[in-house]
Amino acid sequence: DVKVTQSSRYLVKRTGEKVFLECVQDMDHENMFWYRQDPGLGLRLIYFSYDVKMKEKGDIPEGYSVSREKKERFSLILESASTNQTSMYLCASWNSRDGSYTFGSGTRLTVV
Amino acid sequence: GEDVEQSLFLSVREGDSSVINCTYTDSSSTYLYWYKQEPGAGLQLLTYIFSNMDMKQDQRLTVLLNKKDKHLSLRIADTQTGDSAIYFCAEKRRGGSYIPTFGRGTSLIVHP
Repeated sequence: DVKVTQSSRYLVKRTGEKVFLECVQDMDHENMFWYRQDPGLGLRLIYFSYDVKMKEKGDIPEGYSVSREKKERFSLILESASTNQTSMYLCASWNSRDGSYTFGSGTRLTVV
Repeated sequence: GEDVEQSLFLSVREGDSSVINCTYTDSSSTYLYWYKQEPGAGLQLLTYIFSNMDMKQDQRLTVLLNKKDKHLSLRIADTQTGDSAIYFCAEKRRGGSYIPTFGRGTSLIVHP
């Protein structure tokens, strides 16, 4: 089975800190994604990557950046964390055969 | 309006059947998916159906697709407390972006 691992389940950071959220997948998928999930808003796409060093903005990229130096790892970076970035962050890897996603367990980030 | 719509809540008694509904707008959708999210976890693919199918059954799960009305449903037979979760409908469209469009999720509450 495809496994997508997010390095932290819970994080608490201070306003203004630089925050790194890490995601690793083990199935050699080209495509990886970062979403945030907020109550009543569902999933919103922040950034995605279709290959090493390639990235595309999603629907809400402001305040975020990403890094894809290796195929298996896709990092989400909050350059200067703010309280409105308190959320659940979900990483996903995409199976090109059937178009399904495999999600990580999520990182619940609280910015205080 | 949203491309994929779901009601936000559904409450059922343990042992009853649950039916979660979803409507979508793009008739070129090729795959339609149901994901389950348990509390504090990421999304897990439950099942999917190709657009050339009307029905798919997998143990307690039955997926019905009405292409004419662009309506997708997920029926869970003999609903258990362990089925309490958020259920997301998603569609993947033919051509263009390969990124699925997610609904906002339906919270299924199963009570004794």
